[in-house]
Amino acid sequence: DAKTTQPPSMDCAEGRAANLPCNHSTISGNEYVYWYRQIHSQGPQYIIHGLKNNETNEMASLIITEDRKSSTLILPHATLRDTAVYYCIVRDRPNNAGGTSYGKLTFGQGTILTVHP
Amino acid sequence: ETGVTQTPRHLVMGMTNKKSLKCEQHLGHNAMYWYKQSAKKPLELMFVYSLEERVENNSVPSRFSPECPNSSHLFLHLHTLQPEDSALYLCASSQDRVGNGYTFGSGTRLTVV
Repeated sequence: DAKTTQPPSMDCAEGRAANLPCNHSTISGNEYVYWYRQIHSQGPQYIIHGLKNNETNEMASLIITEDRKSSTLILPHATLRDTAVYYCIVRDRPNNAGGTSYGKLTFGQGTILTVHP
Repeated sequence: ETGVTQTPRHLVMGMTNKKSLKCEQHLGHNAMYWYKQSAKKPLELMFVYSLEERVENNSVPSRFSPECPNSSHLFLHLHTLQPEDSALYLCASSQDRVGNGYTFGSGTRLTVV
C-alpha cells in the first residue's frame, strides 16, 4: 500500500472549518483513500473514504485532487469533540478472488487536531 | 457502542500470569483483527482472521496467541508477558467484500507488572 504524509499537528478554532491535508504521491489506480480518527484512549473511528471523486457524509467531506496525489479532509464546523488524531490511509481494494477477502489498514502517525474555544 | 465489544477494558497482570482478551462483534462482518498501540507509536497490526482462518501473523511473539472460534468472536491469549507488552490492544472487524471501513472496539488497556 502507498505511504501517506500528514502534518504532525494542527489547530482549529471552534465553529470554523478544519482542513486536514494528506499527501499520497505514490498512490496507484486501485488504491482508496481512507480517513479515520482516534479520540484519546478510544479505538479509531471510520470517517470517510474515496477513490477519485469527492465524497461527503454526515461527518466530513473528502476532496481528492485530480491526479489523486493528495487529499483534504474537511470538517465543516469543528467542535471541541473533534479534537483527535486523524489518520489518512491509502489502501488497496481487497482481493475478492477465491471467495475470501480482507483488507489491511496500515496506520501512520496521523495529525493531532486540536480544536480550541 | 460501535458494535465491536472488547473485554476487559483494563487489565493488570504479572509476568507469570495467563489471561485472555475477548472481542465480540454482531455486525455480520467476515474479518477480524488485533492491533497493538504502544505509547506514542502508530497502531501495529498483529493478527488478521478472515472467515475464521488466520491469514496474517505479523511476526508477533508466541506469548500472544489468537483464537477465532467463530465469525463473531476473537480472543487474544496472553502468557508470560513482558513489561514492554503494556499497551492498548484494539480489536476491529470488517466486511471487506464491499470495501467498507473497519469498526474498532474501545480497546483493552493492558499493564504488565
